[in-house]
This record gives sequence, structure tokens and C-alpha cells, in this order.
Amino acid sequence: DGGITQSPKYLFRKEGQNVTLSCEQNLNHDAMYWYRQDPGQGLRLIYYSQIVNDFQKGDIAEGYSVSREKKESFPLTVTSAQKNPTAFYLCASRPGQGYTDTQYFGPGTRLTVL
Amino acid sequence: AQSVTQPDIHITVSEGASLELRCNYSYGATPYLFWYVQSPGQGLQLLLKYFSGDTLVQGIKGFEAEFKRSQSSFNLRKPSVHWSDAAEYFCAVGAPYFGNEKLTFGTGTRLTIIP
Repeated sequence: DGGITQSPKYLFRKEGQNVTLSCEQNLNHDAMYWYRQDPGQGLRLIYYSQIVNDFQKGDIAEGYSVSREKKESFPLTVTSAQKNPTAFYLCASRPGQGYTDTQYFGPGTRLTVL
Repeated sequence: AQSVTQPDIHITVSEGASLELRCNYSYGATPYLFWYVQSPGQGLQLLLKYFSGDTLVQGIKGFEAEFKRSQSSFNLRKPSVHWSDAAEYFCAVGAPYFGNEKLTFGTGTRLTIIP
């Protein structure tokens, strides 16, 4: 089945540790996105990538890093510089750069920093 | 820059009753508009989208939305809700001039269904 997978579903880390969240898609989509979701704040864009080996900062990129070495993969690293990393993280992908393309979402990873 | 407002944080309706969720956007031209639904602990699923043409858009699960340019609104409606509609609903706007690479989301409306 085609889709977007995020792993793990739940992740616990100690404060000060870096952690990497996985996002894989087998939809052959060009663009991929990372969002952070906090209660009452909707979704906020962290990073996005429209093609392999290229990515752009979103609205809240500080304390995060990404890579896009393969079309199907867009991992997100939450670094120790992120002051409040506990949140629900959503990955999305979009077929291309057409105006009418829709973003499709993965199931999310809930990160809790202890 | 575009923005989205969902004025209702939480709405409770009875099963079988009609539903309208409000969404207002701010953008200088005609935007691209979306409604997504999220069940607890899950990702987002697209309900419907508006790009151009007919201002009344039909979506999945019996939902529809109407684009009203004069009111900068894109309200979501359903004539009769089912208990399975309980979820959180997000309105989003895209800026076509810059391509659809970035969406701006509202803060969401949580829908509770009572028997």
C-alpha cells in the first residue's frame, strides 16, 4: 500500500539529547514537510523540501535540522537547542509543485522529553 | 502573508443535527482553501479543497464547504452528523502565487457529538 510512515509512534528522550524522527513515503511525491502540533496552536511548519538535496526553513525551524538525501525519506532531528521539544510531529508529502497539489499526512510521532 | 482564523475552539452538537464550522482567511488574492480532519493521536485527512470555479465544494463523508469571497470565509457544513464525526477539524490556506508549497493552518475546532 502506498502511504507515509512515521516511526516511532511514541518517543521518549531525556532533556539535552538529540533525537531523530523518521518519515518515509512510497508515493513518489516530490515535496515533503514537517509540522509541529501543540494543543490549541494548530500546525506550525518546521521545514519543507521540494526536491532531493534541497530544503527550506519554515516558521519555527530553530532547534531542528533535516536532510533530504533520498526522495522517499525526510528525517527530522530535534536537537538539544530546541527549548520545548515535547509535541506531536507530523510529516506530510505532496506530489509536485503544482498549485493544485494536496498535502497528505502521516500518522505522526509523539515526542516526550523527560 | 496569509492567515486563518477558526473562531470556535470547541463545538458540541447532537447526533443527527446539522453542523457548521467557521473558517475565515486573510489573503490578498483568491487563496487555495482546505479542510482537514484529525482523529485523536492520528494524522490529518483531507475532507475537501477549493481552488477555483464552483464556490460550493463537496467532500468526503458528506461534508461540503462554501467559499464566500465577500466574507473571506470557507465554512464547513454537514446536514446530519454521526458519532464518528467527532474529531478535530482544521482549515488551511495556501498562497497560489508562491505555489502550494506552504499551507497556513488555523488552530482547529474540536467537535463533540452527544447522543
